Amino acid sequence: RKEVEQDPGPFNVPEGATVAFNCTYSNSASQSFFWYRQDCRKEPKLLMSVYSSGNEDGRFTAQLNRASQYISLLIRDSKLSDSATYLCVVNSMDTGRRALTFGSGTRLQVQP
Amino acid sequence: EAQVTQNPRYLITVTGKKLTVTCSQNMNHEYMSWYRQDPGLGLRQIYYSMNVEVTDKGDVPEGYKVSRKEKRNFPLILESPSPNQTSLYFCASSFRGEPPHYNEQFFGPGTRLTVL
Repeated sequence: RKEVEQDPGPFNVPEGATVAFNCTYSNSASQSFFWYRQDCRKEPKLLMSVYSSGNEDGRFTAQLNRASQYISLLIRDSKLSDSATYLCVVNSMDTGRRALTFGSGTRLQVQP
Repeated sequence: EAQVTQNPRYLITVTGKKLTVTCSQNMNHEYMSWYRQDPGLGLRQIYYSMNVEVTDKGDVPEGYKVSRKEKRNFPLILESPSPNQTSLYFCASSFRGEPPHYNEQFFGPGTRLTVL
């Protein structure tokens, strides 16, 4: 089982739609959670950190469910510019190695 | 401008010809890391460094070497490249942070390597 699992998509949605991505992680001891955005052939960039109480940044809302070990990202009022791959990221505690584990990403295509 | 730079951006080479991909950051970050990204596998960590002269293996270190002689630089060395090392490589850096919390990682623009 992968440490971090995401639905690869693609999610094809019209402009203005609300879309939600989920991500599950296997390490119950994980403490840090992030969503990164990656445009085609570009480097990943931090979209937002995910906090236990849930957090919102404009049209983006992130939620964490520790009991079920999943993280979600909700995008409201989708824009064409939201088209990208969204990476779920969790800290890895394997063998004491301090590292982040990245999911394979969920691709979003917003259509006019 | 705060940034992570990598060189070269694109490289085509042949099996067995040693190469180095450079990575440099100007943000005074303690932590630096190398990843490779392959379709369907996501980003996988190759090596990381918590500070100068401190390096450690990631998920897929075989066939790679790194060094951290200066805080700003973290080169990735392929002593004898093979076709299975054809990939997109990213260098990243961040402030170290205290466990269990992790800081935002800043990524370089990527190096697309093809080994024939």
